Amino acid sequence: QVQLVQSGAEVKKPGASVKVSCKASGYTFTSYDINWVRQATGQGLEWMGWMNPNSGNTGYAQKFQGRVTMTRNTSISTAYMELSSLRSEDTAVYYCARRVGATWFDYWGQGTLVTVSS
Amino acid sequence: NFMLTQPHSVSESPGKTVTISCTGSSGSIASNYVQWYQQRPGSAPTTVIYEDNQRPSGVPDRFSGSIDSSSNSASLTISGLKTEDEADYYCQSYDSSNQGVFGGGTKLTVL
Repeated sequence: QVQLVQSGAEVKKPGASVKVSCKASGYTFTSYDINWVRQATGQGLEWMGWMNPNSGNTGYAQKFQGRVTMTRNTSISTAYMELSSLRSEDTAVYYCARRVGATWFDYWGQGTLVTVSS
Repeated sequence: NFMLTQPHSVSESPGKTVTISCTGSSGSIASNYVQWYQQRPGSAPTTVIYEDNQRPSGVPDRFSGSIDSSSNSASLTISGLKTEDEADYYCQSYDSSNQGVFGGGTKLTVL
C-alpha cells in the first residue's frame, strides 16, 4: 500500500533552517510529483511547492521563493523540504503529498510539526 | 493574486443536505480543476472530490462537486449528512502560473 512517512517533530531557533523528509513506499517514487503543504495551528492549508522526483524539477510558491528548497534521493525514495531563515510564523505542521497528474493529492504524509522559538 | 474564498462555517442537521461554496477571485474558476479535501482534527487531509466532480474510490456518493461558471464558483454538496461528516473542508485549485491555491477552509458542524 502507498505510504508517505515523514520525519519527526523539530524545534528550531529563529534564523535557523529545517529539513523535513518524506519517505515513499508502495509505488514507483519517480512516477508522481511530491508537493508540500503546511498548516499553522488553527489555520488553513498553505501550498508551498512541488518537486518531480524523476527530473528533480521544482516549482515554489512565490511566498517561499528564496527560502525553500525541495530535493530528493531516488535511491531511498525520499523527498526533502528545507526551509531557511526560520521565523516564528513558520511554526506549523508540514505535510508532503503525492500528486496525481497535475491536479489532486491522493496520499498525504502524517505531518511534521516544526516549532520556531527562541 | 488568485484566491479562493469559502464561508468560515456551515451547520446542518443529520440527514439533511449542505452545500459549501468556493469562489474564485479572478479569471475563470473553470480554467483549472478544483479539488475538495476533508480534514478531521489531528489528521492529514483526505480527498473527497477531485477534478471538479470526481470521487476517489471509497468516498460515498453522498459527496458531489460542481462548477458554476456564472458565479465563478465551485461547490461541494454533501447529502444525507452524518455526524462523521463533521470536519473542515478545503477547496483547492491552481492559478494561471500553476501555483497551488487553497481556500481558507469551512468548518462543517453536524448537529
